[in-house]
Amino acid sequence: EAQVTQNPRYLITVTGKKLTVTCSQNMNHEYMSWYRQDPGLGLRQIYYSMNVEVTDKGDVPEGYKVSRKEKRNFPLILESPSPNQTSLYFCASSLGDSPLHFGNGTRLTVT
Amino acid sequence: AQSVTQPDIHITVSEGASLELRCNYSYGATPYLFWYVQSPGQGLQLLLKYFSGDTLVQGIKGFEAEFKRSQSSFNLRKPSVHWSDAAEYFCAVGTTGGGNKLTFGTGTQLKVEL
Repeated sequence: EAQVTQNPRYLITVTGKKLTVTCSQNMNHEYMSWYRQDPGLGLRQIYYSMNVEVTDKGDVPEGYKVSRKEKRNFPLILESPSPNQTSLYFCASSLGDSPLHFGNGTRLTVT
Repeated sequence: AQSVTQPDIHITVSEGASLELRCNYSYGATPYLFWYVQSPGQGLQLLLKYFSGDTLVQGIKGFEAEFKRSQSSFNLRKPSVHWSDAAEYFCAVGTTGGGNKLTFGTGTQLKVEL
């Protein structure tokens, strides 16, 4: 089944403790992206990647890192999480002009 | 830069009634337009998309949307709403058909009364 898989689905952590949210797609998509969803703000793009080893900032990249060493994986790294990064995170992928496929989301709480 | 406005934060309709969710966009060229639906605890699922051609676009689950260039709008409609349509709906505009440079609206939460 074609899908974008994020892990974990839920994560509670404390300020400053490094964490990684994984994202993997099995559709051989070139494009991958991370969004955060906050009430009243919709989805905002954090980082995106056009292909392996090619990443760029989205609209809200501060406090986040990404890497794209393999085509199928695009992890999101929070080196020192803060409470304002409490949010619902989505990974998505696409190929060419095909629309985005989304993962089921990761709900992160930073205390 | 492109932008999307969904003026209605919440909408409540009765089951069986018709539905129209509003979306206005700002973009200098011909836009790529999308509607996504997000059910509770789920990711976003594509309902329909407009790239070019016929301005009335049919999507999944009985939804349709009409592109009106003169009004910069891409409103989503359904003739008869089902209780399972309760969800959050997002309009998005892009410079291509793919994910790059896709801007989302803030969403409209749909509640369906039985």
